[in-house]
Amino acid sequence: AQKVTQAQTEISVVEKEDVTLDCVYETRDTTYYLFWYKQPPSGELVFLIRRNSFDEQNEISGRYSWNFQKSTSSFNFTITASQVVDSAVYFCALSEAKAGNTPLVFGKGTRLSVIA
Amino acid sequence: KAGVTQTPRYLIKTRGQQVTLSCSPISGHRSVSWYQQTPGQGLQFLFEYFSETQRNKGNFPGRFSGRQFSNSRSEMNVSTLELGDSALYLCASSLEPTSGRANEQFFGPGTRLTVL
Repeated sequence: AQKVTQAQTEISVVEKEDVTLDCVYETRDTTYYLFWYKQPPSGELVFLIRRNSFDEQNEISGRYSWNFQKSTSSFNFTITASQVVDSAVYFCALSEAKAGNTPLVFGKGTRLSVIA
Repeated sequence: KAGVTQTPRYLIKTRGQQVTLSCSPISGHRSVSWYQQTPGQGLQFLFEYFSETQRNKGNFPGRFSGRQFSNSRSEMNVSTLELGDSALYLCASSLEPTSGRANEQFFGPGTRLTVL
């Protein structure tokens, strides 16, 4: 069975600090996808990134970066120079990679509060 | 391009009633998935439709059902509502897997259902 663990329930940082959100996953599949979503107070889940299990390259997008380490089954997310607008709940998710779209298995989420 | 739309945004029902929620996917997306979000259980997959066929189903009782129309719009129905059905119901749409963007699911704002 697939499982995603986000051990940090809540994190609070001061604006401009860097913050890393941890994600550890479990799966028996050899190929899979990993995702990060942001859920602001409005409730809509905003897609941030999809990573294929074949691709262990780290990725940077502006202030966001992702560190995928298959050896430790982790897919951590770092926000550099955090801003108040980054305050949200962040979800890590996992899905099988096979024919057809497959269900996302979500972690419980990490609530990030960025204080001005 | 318009995003995923869901109607209604808020709904209040009483136990025993039934409810129908609607989801219109992003134009060109033919896969629609439904998720339930509660504080206790987090985000859980309900079902997924593609070309009017249910392809995947989560672990929910038969009171939860859905369908998809030829224009890819989808509805989900919950019959005999229980207090525990109070949740945010999120709909997500995605492109066909052969698009090379398999399983990138884009979520709507959700329907918040309250059962009294």
